[in-house]
Amino acid sequence: TQLLEQSPQFLSIQEGENLTVYCNSSSVFSSLQWYRQEPGEGPVLLVTVVTGGEVKKLKRLTFQFGDARKDSSLHITAAQPGDTGLYLCAGPLSGNTPLVFGKGTRLSVIA
Amino acid sequence: NAGVMQNPRHLVRRRGQEARLRCSPVKGHSHVYWYRQLPEEGLKFMVYLQKENIIDESGMPKERFSAEFPKEGPSILRIQQVVRGDSAAYFCASSPLAGDVYGYTFGSGTRLTVV
Repeated sequence: TQLLEQSPQFLSIQEGENLTVYCNSSSVFSSLQWYRQEPGEGPVLLVTVVTGGEVKKLKRLTFQFGDARKDSSLHITAAQPGDTGLYLCAGPLSGNTPLVFGKGTRLSVIA
Repeated sequence: NAGVMQNPRHLVRRRGQEARLRCSPVKGHSHVYWYRQLPEEGLKFMVYLQKENIIDESGMPKERFSAEFPKEGPSILRIQQVVRGDSAAYFCASSPLAGDVYGYTFGSGTRLTVV
């Protein structure tokens, strides 16, 4: 059973396009995190969202946490080839338990 | 020590041998997590350790796998009598406190290939 479902699984777009990827669960999370992983490397933390309805912006990336704290989205404006990578969402099931991860969205931005 | 250091980056073992993976957390981080990743899969939690203690090993197979985080030195993930199914990328992460607020810092991983 996958606690965090990410969609789409794969996404290939042209440079300059906008995109949104999703992270959904039937469980409530106290917070959700987004990571980006490049080939041959470990994931790198992008953002943590903790409040239902919260929106955080990181340059061209906008992260949103659903009101019910069961889902999150990542929107990228004017994608660039440097955005290429595997985007993972993660969250703790409860309290201080270790993070569970979704399978990720593999994004390819073509110049 | 700017980040999490894992070694070796690549490890090849024959079936039946032992694999020993090392992880030095960020300086000052006392919480260490091991994850396994297969192609086209997300990260699967294996074990969570704090200095000298295993806090949660619910994701680690009961046989052949063990982990430690001694008072001095790196955390070690040990796989005895490796089988082909153990081939994967193993990532270590550390955090300064328990809980998710600060996020995890990951190492670059050890890619284990069992031949």
